[in-house]
Amino acid sequence: DAMVIQNPRYQVTQFGKPVTLSCSQTLNHNVMYWYQQKSSQAPKLLFHYYDKDFNNEADTPDNFQSRRPNTSFCFLDIRSPGLGDAAMYLCATSRPFLGRADTQYFGPGTRLTVL
Amino acid sequence: AQKVTQAQTEISVVEKEDVTLDCVYETRDTTYYLFWYKQPPSGELVFLIRRNSFDEQNEISGRYSWNFQKSTSSFNFTITASQVVDSAVYFCALSEVGRTSGSRLTFGEGTQLTVNP
Repeated sequence: DAMVIQNPRYQVTQFGKPVTLSCSQTLNHNVMYWYQQKSSQAPKLLFHYYDKDFNNEADTPDNFQSRRPNTSFCFLDIRSPGLGDAAMYLCATSRPFLGRADTQYFGPGTRLTVL
Repeated sequence: AQKVTQAQTEISVVEKEDVTLDCVYETRDTTYYLFWYKQPPSGELVFLIRRNSFDEQNEISGRYSWNFQKSTSSFNFTITASQVVDSAVYFCALSEVGRTSGSRLTFGEGTQLTVNP
């Protein structure tokens, strides 16, 4: 019954070595989001897709990229991870309704460690 | 600009105590939505409730209840007869409406609730 799935749950990478995190959903939602959450902080939105339309946050570093090949899948690519990129990465989905705020449903997250 | 303040960084209670988590928000919008999410140690953000700005009725769901007061811009969350499984970080969040490209949540800093046996 998992609705938003993230793989892997734990990822260890080396400084500067590209890494890709995966998110999939069974909700058929139009919107998929990627958040970064550092210890004891609130989640910070990196970017989101509305269908194929990519929406980047102004302060998201260029080191972070995303791909959405189809409705179900979305990937977060970190081109050259630094020590400061160690964090929990959360994927969320929603279905927008005009005139209402849609509810975002989150996956279990991927905890990234950078050595 | 929107802002959410959760003044309580950490709360510690003993099992079966009632506990209230405070949330105060700021927005210039007349229509908006408020949310509460629970984040247990496993890390997943679990949706608890959504409330729109026109609905000031309090809501109860089992041991959980929410008090929305527009006059004081607050949306407080009470857990009655707390249990150890309630231990988590709780986030209050605010969202604008009118965006067709997806919602944008403004999160508070979260309140770490620890329920001791």
